[in-house]
Amino acid sequence: ILNVEQSPQSLHVQEGDSTNFTCSFPSSNFYALHWYRWETAKSPEALFVMTLNGDEKKKGRISATLNTKEGYSYLYIKGSQPEDSATYLCASLSNDYKLSFGAGTTVTVRA
Amino acid sequence: DAGVTQSPTHLIKTRGQQVTLRCSPKSGHDTVSWYQQALGQGPQFIFQYYEEEERQRGNFPDRFSGHQFPNYSSELNVNALLLGDSALYLCASSRGSGASYGYTFGSGTRLTVV
Repeated sequence: ILNVEQSPQSLHVQEGDSTNFTCSFPSSNFYALHWYRWETAKSPEALFVMTLNGDEKKKGRISATLNTKEGYSYLYIKGSQPEDSATYLCASLSNDYKLSFGAGTTVTVRA
Repeated sequence: DAGVTQSPTHLIKTRGQQVTLRCSPKSGHDTVSWYQQALGQGPQFIFQYYEEEERQRGNFPDRFSGHQFPNYSSELNVNALLLGDSALYLCASSRGSGASYGYTFGSGTRLTVV
């Protein structure tokens, strides 16, 4: 993998359902993996920063895991709420200080 | 505590002109990174400034240049504007590499080149 890739590009979730999506990144020169939430008309907001293989982070109903050996991270949303509607960006920080972003997964939660 | 401030918020320029975008980082942050986001794409890394020097650069032509001032604020300059430079330009600040706490982003400057 040469670039950061996210899938799916978009998804629709019923309120109360759980969902997850994927970020793939180059495992060479890896330093850290960032997740950001970007709501419409706002700035991207940092959710998680993870560095170690096997890391798991949690913030409320949102959690993330990291596999640095195979170069992927999952983000999970449990019991989706309308306020979870946003674009979720992942970004890989290499050890030469470049933070490279994926194109994002846009989540729409239907009430 | 003010976050990252970018100005202007919107800008319309003519092809061939030059533009300067400005960014004030979050208090306590010493590193500023600039990103370009075109429609349907993720933010693309332009360059990063630390200690008033360009520390890293993405795949952007020399028409894109920048500066960081002693108070850590930064400018992005784009010369000889092309229609393809129309995009949202995001500034992000961090403490050092951002490996521990991530980046703090501004709301962006929407540049339209006509």
